[in-house]
Formats: sequence, structure tokens, C-alpha cells
Amino acid sequence: DQQVKQNSPSLSVQEGRISILNCDYTNSMFDYFLWYKKYPAEGPTFLISISSIKDKNEDGRFTVFLNKSAKHLSLHIVPSQPGDSAVYFCAARAAGGTSYGKLTFGQGTILTVHP
Amino acid sequence: ETGVTQTPRHLVMGMTNKKSLKCEQHLGHNAMYWYKQSAKKPLELMFVYNFKEQTENNSVPSRFSPECPNSSHLFLHLHTLQPEDSALYLCASSQDPAGETQYFGPGTRLLVL
Repeated sequence: DQQVKQNSPSLSVQEGRISILNCDYTNSMFDYFLWYKKYPAEGPTFLISISSIKDKNEDGRFTVFLNKSAKHLSLHIVPSQPGDSAVYFCAARAAGGTSYGKLTFGQGTILTVHP
Repeated sequence: ETGVTQTPRHLVMGMTNKKSLKCEQHLGHNAMYWYKQSAKKPLELMFVYNFKEQTENNSVPSRFSPECPNSSHLFLHLHTLQPEDSALYLCASSQDPAGETQYFGPGTRLLVL
């Protein structure tokens, strides 16, 4: 049972436009959410995060939105640049219980930004 | 060297071989992790170490044997692997196991023949 899902395997966007990457989760014990970016032949690199007490966090061109009632988060990239082309992973951290501190990852979305 | 480093970057081994993957972090973190990423699947947590002590074994087969001699180094010893173990093995570290942000190494691409 996959607790973090990224239902779009890929997304193609024109340079300068907005990229919206989506992530859904099922575990209400998740209290912290992260987005990682991965280039080929490299490990994932941390991009941006959000605590469950917030509904929005912004860092430059990157904004993460959290809708707790819908168990949905999204990453907005505005404006998109060709260098943003990578695989984007959504991850969630459990607040307590035996899974405390563990990150659960989605399967990733391949973003391609065309010049 | 900065961040999290992993060696080797690529490894091809037969099912009867014994090999080891190495991870080193230069961030002063106390927690280290092994993840497995198979094709088209999410990253799967394998092991967690906190202050050199293993705190999590995510039902990993015994043919994978981790070792953490100190907070900066983590090994994954491999023996009698199966072809389905071919994957990208990623090491990560964080300030502590509850640390929100984990920092990843570049990974070791493993092929088992």
C-alpha cells in the first residue's frame, strides 16, 4: 500500500510557464513534507519543505502548497527553466509511532522544461 | 570533500560474489540511512543508524548486511545477491533520525548477474 503517490509519471512544460507537480498521501500521521529533485547520475537533493501547521511555503521560484483536508500537496515552479528538468520526488515524515522520523517517498515525476 | 559521498559509483557482481558499498558523510550528522531505488518504484528505506546504532531494519533480507563503525561512515555488505537486487543504492544522512531533511549521496548503481 503506497502511502505517498505521485500519479503523474511525467510533465512537460514550456520555458517561462508554471510547472505544477502533485502529490497525494493517505497517512494522517504525516506532519512534514518535502520535495526532492534528482538529476541523472546524482542523488536526490533537497528542494523545499512544509510543516503540517502551514498551508504554503515559498522559496524563490518554488512554492509548496499543502491541503491537509484533501491530503494533497503540490509544488509550483514559476517561471520554469530548462535547468529544472529532473525527477521530482515528494516525501512525507511520520509524526509518531513506530515510523517516527521515517521518510516515505512517492515514485517521482519526470519534469521536462522545453526552451 | 563535502556532503555525502558513495563508492563505488557503479558495481557489477555475480550472485556468488561478496562486495561492499561505502558511504561517508562530511556534514557532522548523527543519523545515516540506506535506501534502495528500483526502476519505476519509490525509494525504499532499508536501514537507519543513529549514533552508530541500528534503529531500523525495514524487513531487509540477510544477504544485505549494514555496518556503521562511526557516525561518519556507513557500509552495506553484499553477499549471494539475486538479479532482482539490481538497483540504485542511496546513502543519506540527517542531523538525527527525526531531522526533517535528509541529504543524499550520488548512489551506487548495482547490477547483479
